Amino acid sequence: GDSVTQMEGPVTLSEEAFLTINCTYTATGYPSLFWYVQYPGEGLQLLLKATKADDKGSNKGFEATYRKETTSFHLEKGSVQVSDSAVYFCALSGGPGKLQFGAGTQVVVTP
Amino acid sequence: DTGVSQDPRHKITKRGQNVTFRCDPISEHNRLYWYRQTLGQGPEFLTYFQNEAQLEKSRLLSDRFSAERPKGSFSTLEIQRTEQGDSAMYLCASSLDDGITEAFFGQGTRLTVV
Repeated sequence: GDSVTQMEGPVTLSEEAFLTINCTYTATGYPSLFWYVQYPGEGLQLLLKATKADDKGSNKGFEATYRKETTSFHLEKGSVQVSDSAVYFCALSGGPGKLQFGAGTQVVVTP
Repeated sequence: DTGVSQDPRHKITKRGQNVTFRCDPISEHNRLYWYRQTLGQGPEFLTYFQNEAQLEKSRLLSDRFSAERPKGSFSTLEIQRTEQGDSAMYLCASSLDDGITEAFFGQGTRLTVV
């Protein structure tokens, strides 16, 4: 079945450092890919998405490119802020309403 | 507030008791989803509705679980004869049925079975 694997956390960074969170997937067909973020005490929020190969999703300085050849959707940000501290989830859409999530990666940004 | 709301936010219950959670989706959204999230894991799909019709149920949804969306608006998730393994965060999300609109999540109901 479909699955998503993302790097384990916590990832601890200093402010203004470069962030990469690796995400790879296994799926039949051509799913849409997503990154969701969960800030402390809040619900899941969609950060960005890509619906087909080579699409780049971007939002709030974060970017991820849908790589079909490597079945990956790595999340990157060039300069993180303390406010980026959160748990980040990679997910794929395996059908209507069915998001398959990875286990999440906690990111801690220190001043 | 026009987001997805869930009630209660926290529920502590004794093993064997029944519990019911409520989700109010964004008003114009005709799709509604339930997920379960355990500590250190990502959310797992449980079921989804299009209007009042329950279109898919995960094998995770044992016969002790039942979900309804009687008028195509709010939804309830009931767990009968709760077990300690049911302790988790139960998340609700909603979206439009246009294949494009993202799903918006509520803050969840945290269930603790003691």
